[in-house]
Amino acid sequence: EAQVTQNPRYLITVTGKKLTVTCSQNMNHEYMSWYRQDPGLGLRQIYYSMNVEVTDKGDVPEGYKVSRKEKRNFPLILESPSPNQTSLYFCASSLTVHSGNTIYFGEGSWLTVV
Amino acid sequence: AQSVAQPEDQVNVAEGNPLTVKCTYSVSGNPYLFWYVQYPNRGLQFLLKYITGDNLVKGSYGFEAEFNKSQTSFHLKKPSALVSDSALYFCAVRAGMDSNYQLIWGAGTKLIIKP
Repeated sequence: EAQVTQNPRYLITVTGKKLTVTCSQNMNHEYMSWYRQDPGLGLRQIYYSMNVEVTDKGDVPEGYKVSRKEKRNFPLILESPSPNQTSLYFCASSLTVHSGNTIYFGEGSWLTVV
Repeated sequence: AQSVAQPEDQVNVAEGNPLTVKCTYSVSGNPYLFWYVQYPNRGLQFLLKYITGDNLVKGSYGFEAEFNKSQTSFHLKKPSALVSDSALYFCAVRAGMDSNYQLIWGAGTKLIIKP
């Protein structure tokens, strides 16, 4: 089954404790991205990757890092999480960055930083 | 500036009645428009998209959307609402090459279908 898988789905952590949210897709997609969803703000893009070893900042990259060493994986790293990073995070992928390609989303990761 | 507006935070419809969720956009070049639905505690699911061609696009779960270039709108519609259609709906437009093809999202519209 074609899917985008992210883990963990739910996490409560403390300020400053490094964490990684993994994302994997099995569709051989070139384009992957991370979003955060906050009430009233919709979806905001954190980082995206057009292909292996090619990443770029989205609208809200501060406090986050990503890497794209393999085509299927695109982990999101919070080096020193802060409470304002409490949010619902989505990983997404599409075949290429071409405008007509559908974007597929993971189920989301609820992160709480206390 | 490129943007997407969903003017209604919430839409309430009685079951069996037609529903419309509104979306307007502003983008340079040809618009590539999408609708996604989010059920509680779930990811976003693709409903439909407009790339080119027929202005009326049909998608999943009986939804359709009409692209109107002159009004820069892409409203989501369904002839007869179901209670199970209650969810959060997002409209998005794909920007062009000068914006790295970024997807620009509306803030979302909560659709409530009452029995």
